[in-house]
Amino acid sequence: EIVMTQSPATLSDSPGERATLSCRASESVGRNLAWYQQKPGQSPRLLIYYASTRATGVPARFSGSGSGTEFTLTISSLQSEDFAVYYCQQYNNWPPLTFGGGTKVEIK
Amino acid sequence: EVQLVESGGGLIQPGGSLRLSCAASGFTVSYSFLTWVRQAPGKGLEWVAVIYADGTERYADSVKGRFTISRDDSKNTVYLQMNSLRGEDAAVYYCARIQYQLLDVWGQGTTVNVSS
Repeated sequence: EIVMTQSPATLSDSPGERATLSCRASESVGRNLAWYQQKPGQSPRLLIYYASTRATGVPARFSGSGSGTEFTLTISSLQSEDFAVYYCQQYNNWPPLTFGGGTKVEIK
Repeated sequence: EVQLVESGGGLIQPGGSLRLSCAASGFTVSYSFLTWVRQAPGKGLEWVAVIYADGTERYADSVKGRFTISRDDSKNTVYLQMNSLRGEDAAVYYCARIQYQLLDVWGQGTTVNVSS
């Protein structure tokens, strides 16, 4: 099973700031890495796939990068609606599908 | 509109059974991969089970032998039969469609509480 590790667990930032979230895989997943956003009381929403491709309707301030075992999700300028929990997930070798523990982006 | 609607959650005693349903609209489950993902209170996402278009089932080790995923093509619905429930099974259970290996459509979730 591929273990996904996210850091930090919590990120406190102000609106307008740049946020950088990290995700590490226990073995190479190529570029088969997705990011999901989950707001309180809501279901997760697909944000980024293939490490850097934005899903339909996702604003350009969200960008993904990385390959192999190291990945990054960047929010260039935090908006109020971006405060949420973000999960990375590998789909290179499944089942099982495996998710990171999540990074909570909160208002500073 | 492509949509998934879960139902069937509730309060159940340890050792009990529950069946969750996931009704799909806007697409055909028999041509799709459908999966269940759960989220314990205050915790992250945990994959539970998947049913492929050909009917093949796969399970997380934590539920293998206790949970069964199935589907009824005539009702365009996927199910999760949960037996021998434990406290650690308490969670919000989400149904999601897997397309091109991505969980692109999620239901709103149904809550399972396991307590005596």
